[in-house]
Amino acid sequence: GEDVEQSLFLSVREGDSSVINCTYTDSSSTYLYWYKQEPGAGLQLLTYIFSNMDMKQDQRLTVLLNKKDKHLSLRIADTQTGDSAIYFCAESFTGGGNKLTFGTGTQLKVEL
Amino acid sequence: EAQVTQNPRYLITVTGKKLTVTCSQNMNHEYMSWYRQDPGLGLRQIYYSMNVEVTDKGDVPEGYKVSRKEKRNFPLILESPSPNQTSLYFCASSLGPRGVHPHTFGSGTRLTVV
Repeated sequence: GEDVEQSLFLSVREGDSSVINCTYTDSSSTYLYWYKQEPGAGLQLLTYIFSNMDMKQDQRLTVLLNKKDKHLSLRIADTQTGDSAIYFCAESFTGGGNKLTFGTGTQLKVEL
Repeated sequence: EAQVTQNPRYLITVTGKKLTVTCSQNMNHEYMSWYRQDPGLGLRQIYYSMNVEVTDKGDVPEGYKVSRKEKRNFPLILESPSPNQTSLYFCASSLGPRGVHPHTFGSGTRLTVV
């Protein structure tokens, strides 16, 4: 079955890098996603990676995928107060249609 | 602007009183789905639809109904709401049923059943 786990909280200082981690169990995952949820808002797609890739970089965001360990991470460089939000990793998998299985979310707090 | 629109944003209702949460998308997407978000559980899929008149259960369908009579609309119906359906609900759509088609989410509907 599918299970996606994340740590609940992360606190960083403004200007530092943030690394949010995610582990998943379904080895047939095809795409893995990172979504951002700000207070009172819906989910905003940040980036996604195909399962045959190891890394994807998009401006301040770097996604690393270790398929052997089923570990996904999101690195945010030069973290700003506007990055404070809940971050969800999610996976879709072969045979699952386009259902997303979400992690529990990591609340990122950026302190001055 | 391409978007998924849910209404209402907030709803307080009483146990047993039927309600409908509407969802509409203007992107001509084939695939639509409903999720509920609960603390510590992330988002869980309730129902999804691959196209008009094609719907199927997700992981937590009990107590919910959906319909897909038109491509753009995918309402969520609670025939007899109960307090355990108090949650934050999201509608989402994507171009197709494969993972290469990322989802666009609505802004959410916060439902409280008393």
